[in-house]
Amino acid sequence: GAGVSQSPRYKVAKRGQDVALRCDPISGHVSLFWYQQALGQGPEFLTYFQNEAQLDKSGLPSDRFFAERPEGSVSTLKIQRTQQEDSAVYLCASSSSVGGFQPQHFGDGTRLSIL
Amino acid sequence: QKEVEQNSGPLSVPEGAIASLNCTYSDRGSQSFFWYRQYSGKSPELIMFIYSNGDKEDGRFTAQLNKASQYVSLLIRDSQPSDSATYLCAVNTPLVFGKGTRLSVIA
Repeated sequence: GAGVSQSPRYKVAKRGQDVALRCDPISGHVSLFWYQQALGQGPEFLTYFQNEAQLDKSGLPSDRFFAERPEGSVSTLKIQRTQQEDSAVYLCASSSSVGGFQPQHFGDGTRLSIL
Repeated sequence: QKEVEQNSGPLSVPEGAIASLNCTYSDRGSQSFFWYRQYSGKSPELIMFIYSNGDKEDGRFTAQLNKASQYVSLLIRDSQPSDSATYLCAVNTPLVFGKGTRLSVIA
């Protein structure tokens, strides 16, 4: 597609449930990033993929968060045993360069609400 | 801890005026600098990026970078009500974002 596509746009889950968020980057973009944005804050880095390799996962807040990009294109962010503090907008971005020094282009995000 | 600081605003300017948005960063080794615009409920949209000291102009937007002072700014000339949004400064890769400055352009 022309841009970064994320699904679902909205997700409501009960505390303790597992959720999976999908990101389809711009075709050919080698770098893929996940960010978490709380209300009124700037996005915060979660993890970075170069093709299928997860090169940086230092921003994942706990071991309940897991991300993968098995074929170097679509990525999935999974959150296990969700907690209320996981409620946020999850943004995916992709970039054409290795390391992402070129500008990153964001998807519309998934708004996650944990009840 | 790498930090990016922005004045949260709101910054109010009259239509047609110049809006000046400022950002400082803590990591002296930072190499790439970005300005994103974010409308309420929407995702960040790239406005400008700059890598070298000095000014970079694109239409009504000018980005200014001063690495010695660890300072980057965004000027918006002839501000329009449609420019009203939150402007996010971001540094390096992976991006470290400021909290954003809310700009309001008054018609």
